[in-house]
Amino acid sequence: EAGVAQSPRYKIIEKRQSVAFWCNPISGHATLYWYQQILGQGPKLLIQFQNNGVVDDSQLPKDRFSAERLKGVDSTLKIQPAKLEDSAVYLCASSSGQWGQTGELFFGEGSRLTVL
Amino acid sequence: AQSVTQLGSHVSVSEGALVLLRCNYSSSVPPYLFWYVQYPNQGLQLLLKYTSAATLVKGINGFEAEFKKSETSFHLTKPSAHMSDAAEYFCAVSEGLDFGNEKLTFGTGTRLTIIP
Repeated sequence: EAGVAQSPRYKIIEKRQSVAFWCNPISGHATLYWYQQILGQGPKLLIQFQNNGVVDDSQLPKDRFSAERLKGVDSTLKIQPAKLEDSAVYLCASSSGQWGQTGELFFGEGSRLTVL
Repeated sequence: AQSVTQLGSHVSVSEGALVLLRCNYSSSVPPYLFWYVQYPNQGLQLLLKYTSAATLVKGINGFEAEFKKSETSFHLTKPSAHMSDAAEYFCAVSEGLDFGNEKLTFGTGTRLTIIP
């Protein structure tokens, strides 16, 4: 079974530029999450999708961050314009409809963003 | 809101020695608790979970954790450390296992170093 795929793995941009990250979850997983992991901190949830609908985006900085999950499969997270404090690893995770039984999120390897 | 606190951002143990990583939680409702491991340049992987069944939970790679309600703790242990255990470990809490509240809130992580 293929895992959660993310790209790009690394991205370096100047502040005020834009960037987009892509995530393809495990096949059949209805729920998709984007987490932000700043160096020295634990992952922080940015947005949660159930199929192609948003369940929770309360911690997404909507003035600069946007995310979509068209067709309920893969997802894109965009930052525009980027700030220095956006430097972090952006983790995508997915879970199956059986999450209540398994309690497991499956994570991708992450996309590391450096803003100069 | 629920939260977890991990005591000690860095822990070093000798190969073959006991591993003890500490996690305390704060919750107004019975929590669901998890330990995830992150190896260098990899995504997070579930080690074990507590979902209100047995209080002593066994996970992969010889790790286990005990839920102690009186101490609001969920410490991770392994009797004998192996070099391959070197990684970052995250404790996490969920508000529930039902749709809409299965989001994980992570601690700040503990980096485990194994001394040969």
